[in-house]
Amino acid sequence: ILNVEQSPQSLHVQEGDSTNFTCSFPSSNFYALHWYRWETAKSPEALFVMTLNGDEKKKGRISATLNTKEGYSYLYIKGSQPEDSATYLCAFKAAGNKLTFGGGTRVLVKP
Amino acid sequence: KAGVTQTPRYLIKTRGQQVTLSCSPISGHRSVSWYQQTPGQGLQFLFEYFSETQRNKGNFPGRFSGRQFSNSRSEMNVSTLELGDSALYLCASSLGEREGRGEQFFGPGTRLTVL
Repeated sequence: ILNVEQSPQSLHVQEGDSTNFTCSFPSSNFYALHWYRWETAKSPEALFVMTLNGDEKKKGRISATLNTKEGYSYLYIKGSQPEDSATYLCAFKAAGNKLTFGGGTRVLVKP
Repeated sequence: KAGVTQTPRYLIKTRGQQVTLSCSPISGHRSVSWYQQTPGQGLQFLFEYFSETQRNKGNFPGRFSGRQFSNSRSEMNVSTLELGDSALYLCASSLGEREGRGEQFFGPGTRLTVL
């Protein structure tokens, strides 16, 4: 059973502040690491798919880094806005295998 | 391009009944995966179908089954419903290449309530 852990489970951020949270995953048999954003009453939506150690991805104020050797990825939100409030899911893909999701980090941005 | 659709969106059943949920993937996507989300839990993988064959399976009892048709549409069936089956069921489609990046596109989900 693959273990994908996300921390913290939830966090409150003041509007305008920056924040980050972690996804840890097995360091062996790595193929890809996904980040999804899941807003209330909507479907999860892909943010990033990362495949290379040291990779960094950016979309607007959100960015992610990847360390496959130690098995972790960080997601950063710069200058948080209320519309960033969502659950952020990471998912690990081993070669030739299915996605395994972490439990998510629930982010609430307070105005 | 139309997104992933799921029907019905909401369903209320009683214990012991069975239920069938449907998922239509994005055109051209050959893989459909099913997930269950219950309060306090992350997305729990049920199974994946690719080209009408079950390719991966999660740790759910045999009461949960699925199938995929030649047009890639998929159905999930739960027999002998239990209260604990109340959940949001999401399906996700992808191109499905085994060595592909695996990016998934999710449907809106079916909210199942078992009374």
